[in-house]
Amino acid sequence: SQQGEEDPQALSIQEGENATMNCSYKTSINNLQWYRQNSGRGLVHLILIRSNEREKHSGRLRVTLDTSKKSSSLLITASRAADTASYFCATANTDKLIFGTGTRLQVFP
Amino acid sequence: DGGITQSPKYLFRKEGQNVTLSCEQNLNHDAMYWYRQDPGQGLRLIYYSQIVNDFQKGDIAEGYSVSREKKESFPLTVTSAQKNPTAFYLCASSPYSSFKNIQYFGAGTRLSVL
Repeated sequence: SQQGEEDPQALSIQEGENATMNCSYKTSINNLQWYRQNSGRGLVHLILIRSNEREKHSGRLRVTLDTSKKSSSLLITASRAADTASYFCATANTDKLIFGTGTRLQVFP
Repeated sequence: DGGITQSPKYLFRKEGQNVTLSCEQNLNHDAMYWYRQDPGQGLRLIYYSQIVNDFQKGDIAEGYSVSREKKESFPLTVTSAQKNPTAFYLCASSPYSSFKNIQYFGAGTRLSVL
């Protein structure tokens, strides 16, 4: 069964706007990872946040993790048309990496 | 897509036929994984291997088989027992034998049934 549920399922914004995607999960984790998938391609790792971390930045990406609420968010600032893709969270523990269903982001020029 | 090569990009299977999807990595990673992705869904784990000559079933192993004779290669066979094989198949690898590690993905193989 899939543990990560993402919200929204789809998001459309204009270039320059910020995009926020949320991920909720059900059990304890070691870390939470975010991946990006361009249409018809493989996944690319974006950022990993450990269970004892609350926030992490990488370029225009900001990830937060709230283990008490079992949720994470991915913020993409100043979005570009090239950010158009599906974004997946994946929760990791010792014996599993479980992917969510993804958020489809469309950024219009 | 890093150093992981999946082939072919597209594959068609006839009724009752076994087909094999190739996955090769030149990253010297210990662990390799096979996932299935259906439209609008996340990835589901089919099989994984943490070391050469050893592999484990994932969540949806029925109708699939794998081998890991070499560190760099982890082919997946979709057997005739898999009644609904149409999907996008992704191979991944990670440096160490733990699900806590980042995974690196190939470009995928899209399998369709004729």
